Amino acid sequence: EIVLTQSPGTLSLSPGERATLTCRASQNVNSNYLAWYQQKPGQAPRLLFYGASTRATGIPDRFSGSGSGTDFSLTISRLEPEDFAVYYCQQYGGSPGHAFGGGTKVEIK
Amino acid sequence: QVQLQESGPGLVKPSGTLSLTCTVSGDSISRGYYWGWIRQPPGKGLEWIGSVYHSGATYYKSSLKSRVTISLDTSKNQFSLKVTSVTASDTAVYYCVRDDGYSDFWGRGTLVTVSS
Repeated sequence: EIVLTQSPGTLSLSPGERATLTCRASQNVNSNYLAWYQQKPGQAPRLLFYGASTRATGIPDRFSGSGSGTDFSLTISRLEPEDFAVYYCQQYGGSPGHAFGGGTKVEIK
Repeated sequence: QVQLQESGPGLVKPSGTLSLTCTVSGDSISRGYYWGWIRQPPGKGLEWIGSVYHSGATYYKSSLKSRVTISLDTSKNQFSLKVTSVTASDTAVYYCVRDDGYSDFWGRGTLVTVSS
């Protein structure tokens, strides 16, 4: 079973700054079946990326996803006030099912 | 636009059975996707529980497999979750999702508390 480790646990940044979040898998993620989600307090998560780097519908281009194999990253080029949230990575397509990382909280410095 | 809505009791007694239903609109659950459940304990991260294919085939998280059943009701365009022998650690917000590997559509979630 694949284990996903996200770092850092918390990222303290100011609006306008660049954020880089990482997700490391304990073994190779087949076909880059890696997704990223954003979750704000009291809301369901929202899909940002699938296939490691394919942006979901309506996601602004200041968000980018990259990586392959065991190392993946989510970058927000310039943080907007609405980007402060918790971000999760998820592996899918493996056996016996899906797995989520523990999350990274992006907070206002 | 696909919409999902969870429903079911918000309070379940320890050792009892948690039962939730997800009603889908804007898509037919018979069409070809998986439909799944994900939960989130208060203040914690996301945990995938399991999914059901339009054919009725299921797959579950290994650590929950002995207690979980997910099923379809195509006549009502609904799918359901049952978790038996619940304990306080099953207290969580439960989300139903359209599962295309990744989850592109989510319900709003429903809080289920396990307590006597």
